[in-house]
Amino acid sequence: AQSVTQPDIHITVSEGASLELRCNYSYGATPYLFWYVQSPGQGLQLLLKYFSGDTLVQGIKGFEAEFKRSQSSFNLRKPSVHWSDAAEYFCAVVDSGGSNYKLTFGKGTLLTVNP
Amino acid sequence: KAGVTQTPRYLIKTRGQQVTLSCSPISGHRSVSWYQQTPGQGLQFLFEYFSETQRNKGNFPGRFSGRQFSNSRSEMNVSTLELGDSALYLCASSDSGRTDTQYFGPGTRLTVL
Repeated sequence: AQSVTQPDIHITVSEGASLELRCNYSYGATPYLFWYVQSPGQGLQLLLKYFSGDTLVQGIKGFEAEFKRSQSSFNLRKPSVHWSDAAEYFCAVVDSGGSNYKLTFGKGTLLTVNP
Repeated sequence: KAGVTQTPRYLIKTRGQQVTLSCSPISGHRSVSWYQQTPGQGLQFLFEYFSETQRNKGNFPGRFSGRQFSNSRSEMNVSTLELGDSALYLCASSDSGRTDTQYFGPGTRLTVL
């Protein structure tokens, strides 16, 4: 069964610093990969997605992610964090074959931004 | 286009009761998925409906059920509520499913006392 691991439960960065959130997946073929963000009391908002092609994906709010097949990773990055980026971030995967239409999520990484 | 809407936003029930949650997808979307979010288990897939048919189901007991109407609106029902059912229930819609982006609603916060 496919799975997603986000090794960091909580990360704290200073405003203006760079950010990298880690995501590792376990899946036999090439998965469809997503990053979502959730602010307190809100639903999930899609930041970016990877299906195929260029392994560096650009998303909203200045985020990007790189798919690395050899490392089974899909890490999320941002060069300069803003206080409004404080939220919880979820990596997710969908089976690229068969009839699986569900998102499998990691446990999430809570981002705190210090002024 | 209006986003995914879920009603009610907050709900308090007692053990043994049943509850029905509603989700209205983005106009034109035919796939609706439901997820349960708890601090301990994280985000877990409940089920997915497409054109009124359940296409995929997660590992939840039969107390959790759902349906989809011809206008793509969906409801989920939880019977005989347990304390552990307290969670944020999120609904997501997409055009057809797997390769389409799933857009999430704000969720329904269910508290079981």
